[in-house]
Amino acid sequence: ETGVTQTPRHLVMGMTNKKSLKCEQHLGHNAMYWYKQSAKKPLELMFVYNFKEQTENNSVPSRFSPECPNSSHLFLHLHTLQPEDSALYLCASSFTSGTDQPQHFGDGTRLSIL
Amino acid sequence: AQSVTQPDIHITVSEGASLELRCNYSYGATPYLFWYVQSPGQGLQLLLKYFSGDTLVQGIKGFEAEFKRSQSSFNLRKPSVHWSDAAEYFCAVGGTDSWGKLQFGAGTQVVVTP
Repeated sequence: ETGVTQTPRHLVMGMTNKKSLKCEQHLGHNAMYWYKQSAKKPLELMFVYNFKEQTENNSVPSRFSPECPNSSHLFLHLHTLQPEDSALYLCASSFTSGTDQPQHFGDGTRLSIL
Repeated sequence: AQSVTQPDIHITVSEGASLELRCNYSYGATPYLFWYVQSPGQGLQLLLKYFSGDTLVQGIKGFEAEFKRSQSSFNLRKPSVHWSDAAEYFCAVGGTDSWGKLQFGAGTQVVVTP
């Protein structure tokens, strides 16, 4: 039981497409995160939301647009992506965004850009 | 800013043998330290965490880790590995001044042989 559900699990899209990744958590948490996991590279934090407010944008290109309508749902809207954006995108949540709060991860969306 | 290094990219261990994964961190104060495991096709699962107190921390799945301030290390150990321990292991560090921003190591891939 992960408590954090990501959909879709796999996504193939062209560079001109627009798609969205969805994350939902059922843990009663108030903070949510997007990470990018590329082969041979450390996990990269993209965005942090705490109580629906964005508290961190880690210099992410504008072709990635996050949305957090409530504490249980997080979206990542994608448009005009580049081949180097192919990666595993992981969503996580924690009780608050304090660094002492363990983060719970979803199983990720494997994104492939053609 | 904090940083974390996992010196071993890949480790092969026989089933039943002991396992030790190395993690070195850089942070000015007492860090928050975590070990996560990622099985193929899945997200990251928290194994254990250290904030303060006893420097030997017990986690799930029979894992333990020891915090050594003098060596800036937080190594993960398991006395006897099982085939199901084959996975990638990530050390992460955070601090009181880095809200929600964990720094992850590049990971250590563990292969378990019969």
